Amino acid sequence: NAGVTQTPKFQVLKTGQSMTLQCAQDMNHEYMSWYRQDPGMGLRLIHYSVGAGITDQGEVPNGYNVSRSTTEDFPLRLLSAAPSQTSVYFCASRIPGAGNTIYFGEGSWLTVV
Amino acid sequence: ELKVEQNPLFLSMQEGKNYTIYCNYSTTSDRLYWYRQDPGKSLESLFVLLSNGAVKQEGRLMASLDTKARLSTLHITAAVHDLSATYFCAVPPGQNFGNEKLTFGTGTRLTIIP
Repeated sequence: NAGVTQTPKFQVLKTGQSMTLQCAQDMNHEYMSWYRQDPGMGLRLIHYSVGAGITDQGEVPNGYNVSRSTTEDFPLRLLSAAPSQTSVYFCASRIPGAGNTIYFGEGSWLTVV
Repeated sequence: ELKVEQNPLFLSMQEGKNYTIYCNYSTTSDRLYWYRQDPGKSLESLFVLLSNGAVKQEGRLMASLDTKARLSTLHITAAVHDLSATYFCAVPPGQNFGNEKLTFGTGTRLTIIP
């Protein structure tokens, strides 16, 4: 049981490039989310999904796209990378229900130069 | 807009001492999460608090929730070095169990010194 798996772990991009951060979970969790964490700060929600085919925006969605074609996968696309998107990105998942734990991936460190 | 404030932001304490981290939030919410993060690592779930007056304990950590005061506390008893980490609280807005829009506090960086 791998839990929440994110790839790549580290990535350097040039300004204007696009890329996709991959997130996969093998726990059959309906809810999945993407967060970013900037130095010395808490996590901020980018996008989330409550099931396959359903996505919604979080607090900081600009510059990012998501899709949810399967329960297992929730990729995050950076359309045209900017230095302000340099951050650590965390994917998370959980089962619906108020008391259920949210499981986080190991994080993806992204630097945009 | 939901705001979540933690204090202190930095805490250095001696082994064996007790201390409390506070998490205040600005609007009504029905639950609160506490997480631990080690440097360069992911977040580890500590507690999920679901109702007013909820108290949960795990080892030297105890968390409580007062929804009327919009306040949660994380109490550390007889601190040991292994508890050195950054601790975050996180709150969803409103009283909708399906709402995934968690707002995180800025974290409390705890350092336990011998």
